[in-house]
Amino acid sequence: GQQLNQSPQSMFIQEGEDVSMNCTSSSIFNTWLWYKQDPGEGPVLLIALYKAGELTSNGRLTAQFGITRKDSFLNISASIPSDVGIYFCAGLTNTGNQFYFGTGTSLTVIP
Amino acid sequence: SQTIHQWPATLVQPVGSPLSLECTVEGTSNPNLYWYRQAAGRGLQLLFYSVGIGQISSEVPQNLSASRPQDRQFILSSKKLLLSDSGFYLCAWSVPPYEQYFGPGTRLTVT
Repeated sequence: GQQLNQSPQSMFIQEGEDVSMNCTSSSIFNTWLWYKQDPGEGPVLLIALYKAGELTSNGRLTAQFGITRKDSFLNISASIPSDVGIYFCAGLTNTGNQFYFGTGTSLTVIP
Repeated sequence: SQTIHQWPATLVQPVGSPLSLECTVEGTSNPNLYWYRQAAGRGLQLLFYSVGIGQISSEVPQNLSASRPQDRQFILSSKKLLLSDSGFYLCAWSVPPYEQYFGPGTRLTVT
């Protein structure tokens, strides 16, 4: 099935730095979701976006639904060690029940 | 509030043995249900999804099958496991406006 292009693939940053990652698709989506997964656990939903241009925050996390509806962005401000994990984006078209996932961004925060 | 359960948490099975993984959701009605497989901590592969009792859509031809005998129960099965069936199996649910939530996962090792 379709996979979304997610970048960067991995990031190594110093504690306190800001983080940006993005997801792009060749298809238009009606919903964008961002998840964080810790080792050995299921992904946890961080932010859901439903409208083009929408900007939504969850604590230090901010995500945006791209105007073209083909991309989305996630920013983490002032990173801390517990931000370590793999971040996934997911998109849902208006025609189906299937979610399409990005390939993931592995984040390492160096204390 | 809604919760999703998966069991077992870990499983070690020999090649050729049968498999049954169970997923149940509480606190919601008529959810869409999904089975994903994840290899090496990256990349979620959609295996099956269901929009109702007895309705199963298969995304990847393989050695596995799924069933939905009750509204909030989703079962992943195999008659004979292969080495390549090893992985981290995740169940998920969604309802409009289509936020998707994952269970804790089952780590399957086929020996």
